[in-house]
Amino acid sequence: ETGVTQTPRHLVMGMTNKKSLKCEQHLGHNAMYWYKQSAKKPLELMFVYSLEERVENNSVPSRFSPECPNSSHLFLHLHTLQPEDSALYLCASSQQRPGQGHTGELFFGEGSRLTVL
Amino acid sequence: AQSVTQPDIHITVSEGASLELRCNYSYGATPYLFWYVQSPGQGLQLLLKYFSGDTLVQGIKGFEAEFKRSQSSFNLRKPSVHWSDAAEYFCAVGPDGSGNTGKLIFGQGTTLQVKP
Repeated sequence: ETGVTQTPRHLVMGMTNKKSLKCEQHLGHNAMYWYKQSAKKPLELMFVYSLEERVENNSVPSRFSPECPNSSHLFLHLHTLQPEDSALYLCASSQQRPGQGHTGELFFGEGSRLTVL
Repeated sequence: AQSVTQPDIHITVSEGASLELRCNYSYGATPYLFWYVQSPGQGLQLLLKYFSGDTLVQGIKGFEAEFKRSQSSFNLRKPSVHWSDAAEYFCAVGPDGSGNTGKLIFGQGTTLQVKP
């Protein structure tokens, strides 16, 4: 396995279900991200984990709950979602170099297409 | 506030023709600039990036982009488009200055259609 892999690629769930999206990066990076991509809208940053600590949460509703157990894995736990949450959820990773800040170059997975009925 | 504008939502070019996709940014410091491409059903792939130095940068798949500070632009170009270039293209700027998060700000994207 190389790069950033996301599972499942497609997910259909009802509003009362609980599901999780998984992301794994094989690049040795120390920062991971969740982005939401909706039609006709710019990518929206949801969560950032750097060195396994959450450093950014862009006012995301609590029905989305991230988890980063180690630097290679990132989860997005979903519960009681709304139809407007249907979107492509993209995971990305990057490398922060101590003392040099962050270049911002992101490596993306192929995304998980979520449909909420 | 930092922002990225891609003025063209949709562009159609003939195969073999030249291409230019526009990107304008608003950023308070020296920006890092990126172009990403997204094929249908796929994630985003980095085409090229500008951090400093030569303002004309070369990327993968024959793409290049030129950073023009005076115009706050970072337009993407390709001399001869191939049918496989049909995709959505995103310009991004970052980091956003909020510490070391590496957060990128993306434009809305430009959909490229290639006519045979």
